[in-house]
Amino acid sequence: GQQVQQSPASLVLQEGENAELQCNFSTSLNSMQWFYQRPGGSLVSLFYNPSGTKHSGRLTSTTVIKERRSSLHISSSQTTDSGTYLCALAPNYNVLYFGSGTKLTVEP
Amino acid sequence: EAAVTQSPRNKVTVTGGNVTLSCRQTNSHNYMYWYRQDTGHGLRLIHYSYGAGNLQIGDVPDGYKATRTTQEDFFLLLELASPSQTSLYFCASRDRGKQNTLYFGAGTRLSVL
Repeated sequence: GQQVQQSPASLVLQEGENAELQCNFSTSLNSMQWFYQRPGGSLVSLFYNPSGTKHSGRLTSTTVIKERRSSLHISSSQTTDSGTYLCALAPNYNVLYFGSGTKLTVEP
Repeated sequence: EAAVTQSPRNKVTVTGGNVTLSCRQTNSHNYMYWYRQDTGHGLRLIHYSYGAGNLQIGDVPDGYKATRTTQEDFFLLLELASPSQTSLYFCASRDRGKQNTLYFGAGTRLSVL
């Protein structure tokens, strides 16, 4: 909840543009994850990334613990990337706390 | 891939009604969670459990009970449903260990009239 702040709340891109989504947190963390929520509501895990940089196709996640932030970069966006992106952190290993999400719309 | 199945997928009830949401996971994960999702709030934790018979309180537990009857099954109970509980509910599971991710069910959309 309030421990995790995501920005921007919404973003509209033209296909082919890049996106940078931010997640800032106010507590220490043991785990940081990024999820994608399809327009129909289902959730899928994109990254488990407690620190450093990870890549998966056109997606890159970077977590900098000292700065209490994590980012998700989407390159060459496609209309199928539209949906909501959620970050979640775990101050301990038991529970994940979610941000409010960034709603991404990619227009053709 | 872990499987988490929620039922029902959609539910409509009236104020004061009694509702049970079911969740089953088939990978013998230790942890199971119930979240609700509302516009502007992201996912908020209601209850969670780390094993059969165990229950832990989350951030928004008021008006909800939960029970973990087996390793696989976790139920969320609304005994006197109110319109404020109209929401999208997600169940999730996770295995023990810091590296393991959260696996979600498809969600249950509940409307309390």
